[in-house]
Amino acid sequence: EAGVAQSPRYKIIEKRQSVAFWCNPISGHATLYWYQQILGQGPKLLIQFQNNGVVDDSQLPKDRFSAERLKGVDSTLKIQPAKLEDSAVYLCASTREHPTGELFFGEGSRLTVL
Amino acid sequence: DQQVKQNSPSLSVQEGRISILNCDYTNSMFDYFLWYKKYPAEGPTFLISISSIKDKNEDGRFTVFLNKSAKHLSLHIVPSQPGDSAVYFCAASGPGNQFYFGTGTSLTVIP
Repeated sequence: EAGVAQSPRYKIIEKRQSVAFWCNPISGHATLYWYQQILGQGPKLLIQFQNNGVVDDSQLPKDRFSAERLKGVDSTLKIQPAKLEDSAVYLCASTREHPTGELFFGEGSRLTVL
Repeated sequence: DQQVKQNSPSLSVQEGRISILNCDYTNSMFDYFLWYKKYPAEGPTFLISISSIKDKNEDGRFTVFLNKSAKHLSLHIVPSQPGDSAVYFCAASGPGNQFYFGTGTSLTVIP
């Protein structure tokens, strides 16, 4: 079974530029998550999708972050314009169902904003 | 609002001894708990989980204990091996299928 795929692995941009991250979850996983992990902290949920609908985006900074999951499969997370504090690893994860479905993570996309 | 807390940022143990990692949570609606292991430059990988209907779950060298009344869980690794050196995250989820993570404990197993 293929894992969660993410790209790019690394991205360096200057502040006020834009960036987009892509994620393809495990086949058959209806729920997809984007997490932000700042160095020294635990993953923080940005947005949760169930199929192509948003379940929770309460912690997504909507003035600069946007995410979509067209057709209920892969997803993109965009930041525009980026700020220095957006430097983090952006993790995509997917799961089958609660309560016995664990979260499967991709390798993450590391963003550095200069 | 940190719903899942890991109060020990780091832990060092000798190879062959027991490693005990602790985690506390505040939300009584959480009913599923997980531990993840993370190596540098990799995504977290699932290690072991426990449902709220149980108080213990074992998988080889790894055992997770859940104390619902204290809202506390712990991960025991016996015996600890150098390859276990990593950051361990505790996570909890509830009916909304949302997963909340602690800040992690960095375990170092000394050969």
